[in-house]
Amino acid sequence: RKEVEQDPGPFNVPEGATVAFNCTYSNSASQSFFWYRQDCRKEPKLLMSVYSSGNEDGRFTAQLNRASQYISLLIRDSKLSDSATYLCVVNAGNNRKLIWGLGTSLAVNP
Amino acid sequence: EAGVVQSPRYKIIEKKQPVAFWCNPISGHNTLYWYLQNLGQGPELLIRYENEEAVDDSQLPKDRFSAERLKGVDSTLKIQPAELGDSAVYLCASSDRTGGRTDTQYFGPGTRLTVL
Repeated sequence: RKEVEQDPGPFNVPEGATVAFNCTYSNSASQSFFWYRQDCRKEPKLLMSVYSSGNEDGRFTAQLNRASQYISLLIRDSKLSDSATYLCVVNAGNNRKLIWGLGTSLAVNP
Repeated sequence: EAGVVQSPRYKIIEKKQPVAFWCNPISGHNTLYWYLQNLGQGPELLIRYENEEAVDDSQLPKDRFSAERLKGVDSTLKIQPAELGDSAVYLCASSDRTGGRTDTQYFGPGTRLTVL
């Protein structure tokens, strides 16, 4: 099992749709979790940190399920500008090593 | 505040030639990362520095890759000699664990290397 796994997609959704991505991780000692966004031919940028209690930022909601070892990202009312690759990042325990998923590609269509 | 600066943005070389990339992290960030990213893949860590110490270089192909961060600020990544398979985007990132957002990484624009 890979340390961090994501469905690569692509997810093709119409504007206004709600879309959710999951990311599973193998190390139960992982402590920090992040979602990054990467636009085509650009560098990754932090979208959200994921907290144990779950957190919301506008149309974006991130949740952590420690029992099943996955994090999720929910995007409501999708915009064309949400089209990007969403990368899941997990801290692999106390050594602060961050493990990156391969990313999930999202295309929001008019 | 200035972001992570990388140069050059693009580099085209012939195989077996040497190449070097430079990174200037965000001021005050003690942790610096070099990543390699291939098309359609996530970033792969090459090396991580805490100040001037390389604390994780397990994924760095040491036969041809080298890196340094002599004064704990700027860093260079070198490949010698370059191979066709080294064509990728080389990303530099920095973070500041003393701040409120542990391990949040800020990336530079990357150097797109093409080896012919």
